[in-house]
Amino acid sequence: AQTVTQSQPEMSVQEAETVTLSCTYDTSESDYYLFWYKQPPSRQMILVIRQEAYKQQNATENRFSVNFQKAAKSFSLKISDSQLGDAAMYFCAYRSSRLTFGEGTQLTVNP
Amino acid sequence: NAGVMQNPRHLVRRRGQEARLRCSPMKGHSHVYWYRQLPEEGLKFMVYLQKENIIDESGMPKERFSAEFPKEGPSILRIQQVVRGDSAAYFCASSPADRGAGYTFGSGTRLTVV
Repeated sequence: AQTVTQSQPEMSVQEAETVTLSCTYDTSESDYYLFWYKQPPSRQMILVIRQEAYKQQNATENRFSVNFQKAAKSFSLKISDSQLGDAAMYFCAYRSSRLTFGEGTQLTVNP
Repeated sequence: NAGVMQNPRHLVRRRGQEARLRCSPMKGHSHVYWYRQLPEEGLKFMVYLQKENIIDESGMPKERFSAEFPKEGPSILRIQQVVRGDSAAYFCASSPADRGAGYTFGSGTRLTVV
């Protein structure tokens, strides 16, 4: 079974600074997809960024980028120029047949 | 293009009653997933359905829980004889057939059992 581990229950960052959220996963498959989702206090799950396992190039979406290390089964999320609106719970997720989530990292952004 | 619609947004049930949670997937999406989120925890997979078929129900409790996605109408997650431990947020998500597509989530139904 696939597992996703987020080892940082909580993180904090100063506004305008950069923060990196960690994620590791365990799988025996070679073809899969990885995602980061954001869940603000409204509880709505919002897709932040996705990565195809067969692509070596790290995905980037504006201020959000990933560091995908396939051999190490690591998929970290970097948020640059952090904004107050980035404060949320962030979930790493792995998809083969279905999406499996990590336990989440609560990100606080300090003004 | 409406997203994933879940209703009700909040549901209060007394112990022993039935809870019915509804989910209409995004237009063009043929795959529906249900997840449960307990307070301060991540989302736990419950069931994966396509029209008229249950594809994977490995996350569903063996008793009292059932799900369907009929040919016409929304997907339904049904919880019979609810207990306090069923109190949680239940999220529905949908996706197209493309495995690389992320899921689109509904806003969730918060079930409170009193």
